Amino acid sequence: AQTVTQSQPEMSVQEAETVTLSCTYDTSESNYYLFWYKQPPSRQMILVIRQEAYKQQNATENRFSVNFQKAAKSFSLKISDSQLGDTAMYFCAFTTLGGSEKLVFGKGTKLTVNP
Amino acid sequence: NAGVTQTPKFQVLKTGQSMTLQCAQDMNHEYMSWYRQDPGMGLRLIHYSVGAGITDQGEVPNGYNVSRSTTEDFPLRLLSAAPSQTSVYFCASNSPRDTAYEQYFGPGTRLTVT
Repeated sequence: AQTVTQSQPEMSVQEAETVTLSCTYDTSESNYYLFWYKQPPSRQMILVIRQEAYKQQNATENRFSVNFQKAAKSFSLKISDSQLGDTAMYFCAFTTLGGSEKLVFGKGTKLTVNP
Repeated sequence: NAGVTQTPKFQVLKTGQSMTLQCAQDMNHEYMSWYRQDPGMGLRLIHYSVGAGITDQGEVPNGYNVSRSTTEDFPLRLLSAAPSQTSVYFCASNSPRDTAYEQYFGPGTRLTVT
């Protein structure tokens, strides 16, 4: 069974600074996808960034980037130039190829961006 | 496209009552899933479906029933509500044809069982 662990229940950062959220996972699969979802107070789940395990290049979406270390089973999210609108819960999630109807989530990290 | 819609947005039930949480999608997605979100627990899979007439259990299926008679709809039934089912419920859908493997989520239903 796959598991996803987020070891930081809460984090805070000053506006315009950089913050990194940690995620580790456990799986015996070799091909899979990893995701970071953002959940603002509106509670809508918003996909921030995705990473395909067979791609060595780290994914980047504007101010969001990941550090994917496949051997270490680590998938951290870096937010650069933090903005007040980044305040949210962030969930790391995992799915296997052929099992995309089943996401396994971490417990989440509550990020607060302070002015 | 409306995407994934869920009704109601909020619901209060008494212990032992039954209800159905509705979920619909207009993206012609084959796959649909139900998750529950509890504080400090992340989202956990309740039931999922890979097509009309096909459903299966996820991590926390007890106390919930599902059926999938059409591609568009995937209702979640609570037959006898319990306080332990107080949670926020999310429905999601996706397609195996989508190589991005992204699940699209509804806005959620906050359920309180007293």
